[in-house]
Amino acid sequence: GAGVSQSPSNKVTEKGKDVELRCDPISGHTALYWYRQSLGQGLEFLIYFQGNSAPDKSGLPSDRFSAERTGGSVSTLTIQRTQQEDSAVYLCASSLKTGGQPQHFGDGTRLSIL
Amino acid sequence: AQSVAQPEDQVNVAEGNPLTVKCTYSVSGNPYLFWYVQYPNRGLQFLLKYITGDNLVKGSYGFEAEFNKSQTSFHLKKPSALVSDSALYFCAVSENTGGFKTIFGAGTRLFVKA
Repeated sequence: GAGVSQSPSNKVTEKGKDVELRCDPISGHTALYWYRQSLGQGLEFLIYFQGNSAPDKSGLPSDRFSAERTGGSVSTLTIQRTQQEDSAVYLCASSLKTGGQPQHFGDGTRLSIL
Repeated sequence: AQSVAQPEDQVNVAEGNPLTVKCTYSVSGNPYLFWYVQYPNRGLQFLLKYITGDNLVKGSYGFEAEFNKSQTSFHLKKPSALVSDSALYFCAVSENTGGFKTIFGAGTRLFVKA
């Protein structure tokens, strides 16, 4: 069956450029999470969507980061004016509302800022 | 705000011996606690969770975890380690506030030696 799909799997871009990362959650999953994993580090919470509720954006590191979720399904994480410290693997996860915690993770997007 | 700590960066165990990976947490209300595993070049996988009920929770691949409210701990255990258990393990916590913002620890790398 289809899992959480993220695209692109790898992205290399120059410092200062904008990037968009996409997450397609499992069908019917109302909760969607974005995390960032830097090399050798743990998972850093970025943002959490739950159904039609206002997203929890408390983990976004700066105003260069934004995310949206259209129609309660696909989500896009946008990083404007990228910096080298943005280089990381960006992970998306989804879960059923009743499950709560991030249940299924995508394979991530590896972002490299030159 | 919730937080979670994994005090050991690395745990080394001989195959066949019992293993313990430690986790402590801090939340305002009742905790929801989780363990995840990340194998090399593979995505993050959910292992087990504690919501309520028995303090000993059983999960995938023979792992179990013990919730200790007085010590605010949720250590991961396995009676007999396998070489194939070598991976990066993450503890995570959510607060029982109706939402499910889930915070991850920094991770503990487990090495099981044959």
